Amino acid sequence: GAVVSQHPSWVICKSGTSVKIECRSLDFQATTMFWYRQFPKQSLMLMATSNEGSKATYEQGVEKDKFLINHASLTLSTLTVTSAHPEDSSFYICSARLGISGNEQFFGPGTRLTVL
Amino acid sequence: AQSVTQPDIHITVSEGASLELRCNYSYGATPYLFWYVQSPGQGLQLLLKYFSGDTLVQGIKGFEAEFKRSQSSFNLRKPSVHWSDAAEYFCAVGTGSGTYQYNFGTGTRLKVLA
Repeated sequence: GAVVSQHPSWVICKSGTSVKIECRSLDFQATTMFWYRQFPKQSLMLMATSNEGSKATYEQGVEKDKFLINHASLTLSTLTVTSAHPEDSSFYICSARLGISGNEQFFGPGTRLTVL
Repeated sequence: AQSVTQPDIHITVSEGASLELRCNYSYGATPYLFWYVQSPGQGLQLLLKYFSGDTLVQGIKGFEAEFKRSQSSFNLRKPSVHWSDAAEYFCAVGTGSGTYQYNFGTGTRLKVLA
C-alpha cells in the first residue's frame, strides 16, 4: 500500500513552453503533498507544500508564478512549470502524506524534465 | 530549526566489508528519522525509519540504524556490503507536527569495490 505515481516519468520540451507533472496517490487519500526538486548529484530541495483545496505554500526562493501547483483532489496534485527554460531542467519528485495524521511521506518515482 | 548533516559526501568500501553511514540531526523534540536510498535516475526507496521505541531499527536489504539521542545521531549500518548497494543514501528528519515537512541531508554516495 501507500503507492505514489508520477506522470510523465520523463519529458523533453522546448524553451518557453509549459509542462505539467502529475502526482497521484494510488491507494490512499493524501491531504498534503509535497514537491521537491533535485539537481544532479545533490539532495532534494523542498519546493512547496500543497494541501487539498487550498493554495500551496512555497519555500523561500521558489517562484510561485513559475511553478504552479494545484491540489484539487485528495489523490492528485499537479506541478506546472510555466515558460520553461533550460535552467528549469531537473528531477522533480513528489510525495504524499498518508491521511491527516500520518508521520511519513511516500515518494513518487520522479519526473526528469529537460528543457531544450 | 531542524537540520540534518551527513558528514561523508563519498564513501568507498570493498564488497563484503562492513559499512556505516553517519547522520546527525538537530531538532528540539523527538524526531522522526528516515534513511532512503537512490540509484541513478531513480526515485527514493525507504530503507528504514524510526518513530519511537526500540532504538535499533531493522530495515530492508540487511540495513539497520541506531538512534542515539545523546549524540543526536541515526547512523546506518550494514555488516557486509554487496556491489548492488552502490547508490546515494539520504538521511531525513521529519518534524512530526504541523505540515510535517522533511529535511534531507546532503547525501552520501557509496561506491563498492569488487
